[in-house]
Amino acid sequence: EVQLVESGGGLVQPGGSLRLSCAASGFTVSSSWMTWVRQTPGKGLEWVANINQDGSAKNYVDSVKGRFTISRDNAKNSLYLQMNSLRAEDTAVYYCVRDGIWGQGTMVTVAS
Amino acid sequence: DIQMTQSPSSLSASVGDRVTITCRASQGIRNDLGWYQQKPGKAPKRLIYAASSLQSGVPSRFSGSGSGTEFTLTISSLQPEDFATYYCLQSNSYPFTFGGGTKVEIK
Repeated sequence: EVQLVESGGGLVQPGGSLRLSCAASGFTVSSSWMTWVRQTPGKGLEWVANINQDGSAKNYVDSVKGRFTISRDNAKNSLYLQMNSLRAEDTAVYYCVRDGIWGQGTMVTVAS
Repeated sequence: DIQMTQSPSSLSASVGDRVTITCRASQGIRNDLGWYQQKPGKAPKRLIYAASSLQSGVPSRFSGSGSGTEFTLTISSLQPEDFATYYCLQSNSYPFTFGGGTKVEIK
């Protein structure tokens, strides 16, 4: 069964950092583009970033450029999102996505 | 960025009704569009990809159509389990962008 499991969310102060992880099973991450999507509580969805199969191509929404870094470790079959200089508006549930398959999400709260 | 305008933002319908949701793109996106269903507290689930291709395991009452700038998701006969929020997503140009969502409620 194809499954994605996110971890690493939590409460962080403005200006702080978090690293989200996404562990894949049932398929190899090296075979697919991988994506992070977030959802602000009670609101809509926002595409955040994606990365190609070998990590040579990365794309970001403007609001996170220079602060977030997407990466992958094909040997560990995992996807990551390093989030620096966090702001209150980054508070959201973060989902790991592969070609229509979504993880359950991990909550990130940025507050003092 | 490509803006995706989804309408209506909400609708009330009865079981058995035919429901249509529309997404309009601010510029042409060929058929690079997907439709997603989200229920409260759950991750979204993809229903349609490439504008009109049904995701494996999704009931055939769901269908998608359109190309260029105008797209529709149709539920031919609404079932109790279809009450949810629906989103479109364009994957033609970066950054990919979602529509604002359509909440389908019970009349």
